[in-house]
Amino acid sequence: DSGVTQTPKHLITATGQRVTLRCSPRSGDLSVYWYQQSLDQGLQFLIQYYNGEERAKGNILERFSAQQFPDLHSELNLSSLELGDSALYFCASSVVPAGNTGELFFGEGSRLTVL
Amino acid sequence: GENVEQHPSTLSVQEGDSAVIKCTYSDSASNYFPWYKQELGKRPQLIIDIRSNVGEKKDQRIAVTLNKTAKHFSLHITETQPEDSAVYFCAAHNQGGKLIFGQGTELSVKP
Repeated sequence: DSGVTQTPKHLITATGQRVTLRCSPRSGDLSVYWYQQSLDQGLQFLIQYYNGEERAKGNILERFSAQQFPDLHSELNLSSLELGDSALYFCASSVVPAGNTGELFFGEGSRLTVL
Repeated sequence: GENVEQHPSTLSVQEGDSAVIKCTYSDSASNYFPWYKQELGKRPQLIIDIRSNVGEKKDQRIAVTLNKTAKHFSLHITETQPEDSAVYFCAAHNQGGKLIFGQGTELSVKP
C-alpha cells in the first residue's frame, strides 16, 4: 500500500458526460501529480500541484481541469468525455517540493471507460 | 518540448540472462532519472534512480548508468527471474518540475 488513495477505482460513463476523480496523497506529501495511461501507452503527464498551487502542466486537454484543495487532496475533472478518454488515471504524491526530485508514490489508479 | 524515448518496447529473455533497457531524453536540464516497475494490473513502483552528478548506481541485481553528454541512460538487470516480468518505465525530471516517462518496455522472463 503506497498510502495514496484514489476513488473511484472503476467508472463507466457515456460520451459527453463529466466525471471527477479524487486523490488523497500520502500523509505529509505536498506534491500531487496526475498521469494518464491509455492501452499500450506510457504514463502521460497531465499536471502537478504543490501545496495547493499548480506547478507544472503537461499535455492536459482543455476539457480537463484539476485542483488541489487546502487539505491537500486533489481532484481531476474530465468533461465532454470522448471514447479516447478511456484510460487508467493515476495520481501520485511526493514529499519533495516542485522543482526538486524524489520518489513518486502512485495510487492504484481510476479506470475510466467511456461508452 | 520534453521527450523521453525508450527502447525496446518488448524484451524477452531466458531466466538467468541479463536484460538491458535504454532511454534517451531531450531536455539537457534534466537532473533526475528514475526507473519504475509496473506489474500487470498494479501501480508503478520505483526500483532505482540516479541523479545527474552520478554515472552509475547499483542495487543488487539492478543497475543504472547515465551518460549526460549523450543524454542517455540505461537499466541493467542481471540474473533475471520470472518475477522480474513486468513493464519498466524510465523517466526524466527537469527543473521545471515535470517528470516525463518513456513509453515503457514489457519484459518477459521465460523460465
